[in-house]
Amino acid sequence: DADVTQTPRNRITKTGKRIMLECSQTKGHDRMYWYRQDPGLGLRLIYYSFDVKDINKGEISDGYSVSRQAQAKFSLSLESAIPNQTALYFCATSDLTGGDEQYFGPGTRLTVT
Amino acid sequence: QKEVEQNSGPLSVPEGAIASLNCTYSDRVSQSFFWYRQYSGKSPELIMSIYSNGDKEDGRFTAQLNKASQYVSLLIRDSQPSDSATYLCAGRGYNFNKSYFGSGTKLNVKP
Repeated sequence: DADVTQTPRNRITKTGKRIMLECSQTKGHDRMYWYRQDPGLGLRLIYYSFDVKDINKGEISDGYSVSRQAQAKFSLSLESAIPNQTALYFCATSDLTGGDEQYFGPGTRLTVT
Repeated sequence: QKEVEQNSGPLSVPEGAIASLNCTYSDRVSQSFFWYRQYSGKSPELIMSIYSNGDKEDGRFTAQLNKASQYVSLLIRDSQPSDSATYLCAGRGYNFNKSYFGSGTKLNVKP
């Protein structure tokens, strides 16, 4: 079974809709991250969490919110989706004691029409 | 200046050659560095980490860290078409802070 899972894997939604992307991990890592990637571009950090009570904004947090429900779960919400939020979204985890290498989920392809 | 910078490429090498990928980093980045490989449409996958000055070898891959010059490189020996991917360099910030990713270098290995 995959260590980092994301649901859904693909989603098409309409402008103005609220949507939630979910991430779960079985690696036991404290740190979790949400990134977006646009075609041909690098990863951009949306939010990150170093433990359940710690949430931090990344470089592109506007229009997004997150919830860390447990050590293993980190959800990303788009409050009112807009077309330029169409992208590939990745969740990742890391463990500082293990070197802080990041392990990525398979990604969610989101299309906002 | 971005914390981690990479040439976007593409870097084209013939099969069997050595591919050399480079990244530079700013003073905001510490001395823990990572190389990830990302195939098109897939998630990044960690291939190497390096924490101290010098070289670290793992199979066909060698990571090199030069703290004085603030650059990290990845050498891929005997390049194969299956190595064609985008390679992301990342470095961790100081004080146990998060990692910063470069924008990636696309590598094409031609048969």
